Amino acid sequence: QVTLRESGPALVKPTQTLSLTCTFSGFSLNTSGMCVSWIRQPPGKALEWLARIDWDDDKYYSTSLTTRLTISKDTSKNQVVLTLTNMDPVDTATYYCARTTVTSMGRHFDYWGQGALVTVST
Amino acid sequence: QSVLTQPPSVSAAPGQRVTISCSGSSSNIGHNFVSWYQQLPGTAPKLLIYDNNKRPSGIPDRFSGSKSGTSATLGITGLQTGDEADYYCATWDASLSAVFGGGTKLTVL
Repeated sequence: QVTLRESGPALVKPTQTLSLTCTFSGFSLNTSGMCVSWIRQPPGKALEWLARIDWDDDKYYSTSLTTRLTISKDTSKNQVVLTLTNMDPVDTATYYCARTTVTSMGRHFDYWGQGALVTVST
Repeated sequence: QSVLTQPPSVSAAPGQRVTISCSGSSSNIGHNFVSWYQQLPGTAPKLLIYDNNKRPSGIPDRFSGSKSGTSATLGITGLQTGDEADYYCATWDASLSAVFGGGTKLTVL
């Protein structure tokens, strides 16, 4: 059974750095074709992809946020960490981690965490 | 402003069929496979369709997907009140970044 769970602060102040952890089970990030992505959703708005880390440690970032994002993994702990620097109120959103599976044809987000709401405010 | 364009809303009566379109470009849908997600109110998105037209285990065959050129379509037949949700399309672009549609709210009248 594949599960993912996001954890981190619910409230951060402007200019601070957000660090979120995705703890997963039921699969290994050492397995070829396995990846984990971070996706966020501001209240009442659409989904926005942020970053992805692959089984071979390749990393990909949203072009609009690349200077602020860092993604890393700890395969021994089954965890993926996302950091987002210089937080602003517009970064207020529910942050999801999702297992991303690579097939011979494409990539898709087949399992999602429940999401973690992060509010940026003084 | 989302990279992929979806209608903000669609509606149909129970038992009827509805389609949701997703329009992109040659740099995203035109060269990559599309997936679709259902987001029920207050919950995380759920994978409905991947690789344009494949259904994960447990997704009923009332849901179908297709792609032509730079557009994709999600079809839902035999509409049920439980299908009321937001639906998102997604694909990848030339920089290997994922892109989503703006979402479509389905109302079952």
